[in-house]
Amino acid sequence: EAQVTQNPRYLITVTGKKLTVTCSQNMNHEYMSWYRQDPGLGLRQIYYSMNVEVTDKGDVPEGYKVSRKEKRNFPLILESPSPNQTSLYFCASSFWRDRSYEQYFGPGTRLTVT
Amino acid sequence: QQPVQSPQAVILREGEDAVINCSSSKALYSVHWYRQKHGEAPVFLMILLKGGEQKGHEKISASFNEKKQQSSLYLTASQLSYSGTYFCGTASGGYQKVTFGTGTKLQVIP
Repeated sequence: EAQVTQNPRYLITVTGKKLTVTCSQNMNHEYMSWYRQDPGLGLRQIYYSMNVEVTDKGDVPEGYKVSRKEKRNFPLILESPSPNQTSLYFCASSFWRDRSYEQYFGPGTRLTVT
Repeated sequence: QQPVQSPQAVILREGEDAVINCSSSKALYSVHWYRQKHGEAPVFLMILLKGGEQKGHEKISASFNEKKQQSSLYLTASQLSYSGTYFCGTASGGYQKVTFGTGTKLQVIP
């Protein structure tokens, strides 16, 4: 079954305590992205990756880091979380095949930073 | 800059049609459309690339006018399952760096 998994699904943490949200896909997709979703602001892209070791900034990259050492994994790292990073986070993977494009989202990670 | 969607909200009766518009102030390479139900992850519907091609997906289709930097999503003969918030996403330099609109809340009632 095509799947994008995120862990943890829910996290409450304190300001400044480094955390990593993992994202993994089982579809061998080249492209992966991270988004955050906030009421009134909608979805915003944080980072995206075109392939292993190729990453680039989205619209709101400040305060986040990513790495893509393996094709299947694209972790999101918050080195020093702050309350304004409290949000719902989605990871997604996507691909082109035969002139057709598909994208799959993970179930989301709800992060609260106190 | 964030694309502008209209309307912000719409209520339809089953079987009615709807059009959701997405407009950008920047030259676009691609437009992406998504639906999100409350408490769930977004679901990708379709992508339209520069070239003005209209795409279809069951009774949901979309068009892309690159000269006007606009896209429209057409929902035909709406079903209850079409309820949710629809987002457009626009990309200017390719199709991976995407900026999303604020969404259109669509409710289909019996």
